Parts: sequence; structure tokens; C-alpha cells
Amino acid sequence: EVQLVESGGGLVQPGGSLRLSCAASGLAFSRYWMNWVRQAPGKGLEWVAIIKQDGSEEFYVDSVKGRFTISRDNAKNSLYLQMNSLRGEDTAVYYCTGGSGWTTETWGQGTRVTVSS
Amino acid sequence: EIVLTQSPGTLSLSPGERATLSCRASQTVTKNYLAWYQQKPGQAPRLLIDDASNRATGIPDRFSGSGSGTDFTLTISRLEPEDFAMYFCQQCAHLPLTFGGGTKVEIK
Repeated sequence: EVQLVESGGGLVQPGGSLRLSCAASGLAFSRYWMNWVRQAPGKGLEWVAIIKQDGSEEFYVDSVKGRFTISRDNAKNSLYLQMNSLRGEDTAVYYCTGGSGWTTETWGQGTRVTVSS
Repeated sequence: EIVLTQSPGTLSLSPGERATLSCRASQTVTKNYLAWYQQKPGQAPRLLIDDASNRATGIPDRFSGSGSGTDFTLTISRLEPEDFAMYFCQQCAHLPLTFGGGTKVEIK
């Protein structure tokens, strides 16, 4: 069974940091482009970042550039998102997603991040 | 950035009826790399259609996608009770990847 399981979410103060993790199983993780997609409460979906299969390329939405870093460890079948300088507008459910191309074929159940004082 | 506009915002229909959802892009989506997702409350999105018209594994054939260039359509031929949900389109051709605002299909 294909599974993506996110962890690391929680409550953090503005300006703080969090590191999200995503553990993959049942899929050829090292062959997948991997993404983070977020969804603010009651809102639509927003793509956040993507990383190439070998980790050699990464791209971000403008609103997180310089604050968030996507990374992966293919030996551990794991994806990460380091989030620094967090703002209220970063409050969302963060989904780990992946696909053989840029289409997000597989999704985790999400981890909730709340930025509030 | 490619902006995707979905219409209508809400579609009120009865089970057994046909649903037609639209997704319009602000620029041509290269190679029709356009995907459709279904999302139910409290759940992650599920891929229905990729490359504009290719049904994902396990998706019933009442779901179909069509269109090219800037205009795309998701059709649900006969609504089943489990199809009442939110639907999002996404262009997967150009960075930043972008989603439409969604269409809610609700029971009339």
C-alpha cells in the first residue's frame, strides 16, 4: 500500500521555526518528484515547494522563498520542509505529495501548522 | 504565473444528474498538463484526472476530463452520493504550480 505520513506540525509563535517530515512507503520514492502543498483553514490548495528525484533541483512559491527549505533523504524514503520566520499566513494543513512528473499523484493525510502568539 | 479560474463556484445538483465543471487558464497549459482532484471534508485531495483526460488508477469511468490549451472540463456523467465534494484543477506544466479556487458540488 502506498503511504505518505506527515509529522512535525504544531503550534508555533510568529517568527519561529518548524521542521515537517514525510515518511514514504510502498512507492519508488527515489523516482518521484516530491512536493509540499498547503491548505489554509476553509481555503483552497496552494503549492509550496517541489524537489527533484535526486534532490538536485528545488523550486518554491514566492511567498516562502528564503524562509522555507525542502529536502529529501532517499536512503530513508523521507521528505522534509524546514520552515523559518513563520507568519500567521503560513497557518495551514501541509500535505506531502509526489508523482512521477509534476502531477501530484499521491497525497499524505496532512499535518497541521498553526502560527499564533 | 498561470491563474486558473474554476466555475461555477458551487453546483447544486441531484444524484443521477450530470455535472460539468470548468477550469480556465490565463495562459496555455503546455502539453495539457492539467489535473483534477476531488476533496471531501477532513480528507486529503485525491487525483481523478491527469494530462487533461487520463483517469487515474481506480477512478470510476463516470469521471471524464476534456479540453486543451486554456479551457478544460471535468464531467461527472451521473452523480453518485459519494461524488458530492470539492473539486480542484491544477496546472502541472509551469512553475509555480497553481490550483484553481475550486468548485463545490452539493446536493440540491
